[in-house]
Amino acid sequence: AQKVTQAQTEISVVEKEDVTLDCVYETRDTTYYLFWYKQPPSGELVFLIRRNSFDEQNEISGRYSWNFQKSTSSFNFTITASQVVDSAVYFCARSTGAIGSGYALNFGKGTSLLVTP
Amino acid sequence: GAGVSQSPRYKVAKRGQDVALRCDPISGHVSLFWYQQALGQGPEFLTYFQNEAQLDKSGLPSDRFFAERPEGSVSTLKIQRTQQEDSAVYLCASSARDRDGEAFFGQGTRLTVV
Repeated sequence: AQKVTQAQTEISVVEKEDVTLDCVYETRDTTYYLFWYKQPPSGELVFLIRRNSFDEQNEISGRYSWNFQKSTSSFNFTITASQVVDSAVYFCARSTGAIGSGYALNFGKGTSLLVTP
Repeated sequence: GAGVSQSPRYKVAKRGQDVALRCDPISGHVSLFWYQQALGQGPEFLTYFQNEAQLDKSGLPSDRFFAERPEGSVSTLKIQRTQQEDSAVYLCASSARDRDGEAFFGQGTRLTVV
């Protein structure tokens, strides 16, 4: 399987700090999808974003932003002005195969983010 | 229903017992996935259905694991002769056609084998 590495196991920040979650992935495909999912304490994974390998434009959605660098095989996730409700485990993932052939996801081990007041 | 529903939420099985885990996907979702999540780890892919066809079962860890989706909606993951290493959370996810990877996940079934 093509590996996804999230080197940070746990991060703790104080509310309103910015925090960046790192993700590095392996790929032998020229086309693929990358994802971030959030898993709050309730356990249900929540989809945050999908990027395809064609599009290296960074994306911003409210307090969330993503930096995709194909040259370094990284897809980092930044939360600006963190809030207590952001506390969760965040997973980076990639499609198991090339776009159109790999429907399942390879997940990293996750980064547990704790935001304290 | 509004989301993906899994039952039971919790299951305790004695070693050697058979178990069946149920998943009700979002209505109309073509794709259905099963993942296994061990404590402190990311979800690991088990199997994938498109409608009633099981297109990929490469992640099933042994022939004790079996999944079906006979009418292209509800799916059941069956584990025969459970072992302690089967203890994990089993997650079901569904997604719409042409929305690869944008999956809606259920809350999972936590299986504990004693």
